[in-house]
Amino acid sequence: AQSVSQHNHHVILSEAASLELGCNYSYGGTVNLFWYVQYPGQHLQLLLKYFSGDPLVKGIKGFEAEFIKSKFSFNLRKPSVQWSDTAEYFCAVTTSGGSYIPTFGRGTSLIVHP
Amino acid sequence: GAGVSQSPSNKVTEKGKDVELRCDPISGHTALYWYRQRLGQGLEFLIYFQGNSAPDKSGLPSDRFSAERTGESVSTLTIQRTQQEDSAVYLCASTLSGRTYNEQFFGPGTRLTVL
Repeated sequence: AQSVSQHNHHVILSEAASLELGCNYSYGGTVNLFWYVQYPGQHLQLLLKYFSGDPLVKGIKGFEAEFIKSKFSFNLRKPSVQWSDTAEYFCAVTTSGGSYIPTFGRGTSLIVHP
Repeated sequence: GAGVSQSPSNKVTEKGKDVELRCDPISGHTALYWYRQRLGQGLEFLIYFQGNSAPDKSGLPSDRFSAERTGESVSTLTIQRTQQEDSAVYLCASTLSGRTYNEQFFGPGTRLTVL
């Protein structure tokens, strides 16, 4: 069974700092990768996803993520964070041709100070 | 409504009581998932429904947990004889179809507290 690791559990940044949240998965086959975000008091929602094509994907609010197959990674990046990016971020993976059940990482809590 | 809805939003119960949680998926979404999220943890898969197929119950932690779904609409998750370790946020999500690349649309969750 696949697993997803998010190594940063808590990240604290000041506004305008750059952000990179790590996500690594363990599965040797074809994967679909997702980042979800949960803003305070709101539902979990999709930030961006990768399932084929350009490994650099762009999502909402200036976020992007790069799929590096050789490193089994799908790190989330943003060049300049804002206070409104304070949220919980979850990485998830499904396997093409496999189970329809995604595996989620433990999540990363991001706090951005104004 | 356009989104996934869940009720109740909060439930406080006493140990040993049964609870029933409800999920209304987005209309037209054939796939529905239940997850449990304990404080500081990721999402723990519980059960998956796809259309009229037999549900995937592989994530249910014990036989005290069960879920039903009527066709492609409402789902209920039932926890019998609740225990304190059942305290968590229970999330429901739906997807347009059972494709592995489809995004999940989540409800607001039900926060269950077992005293």
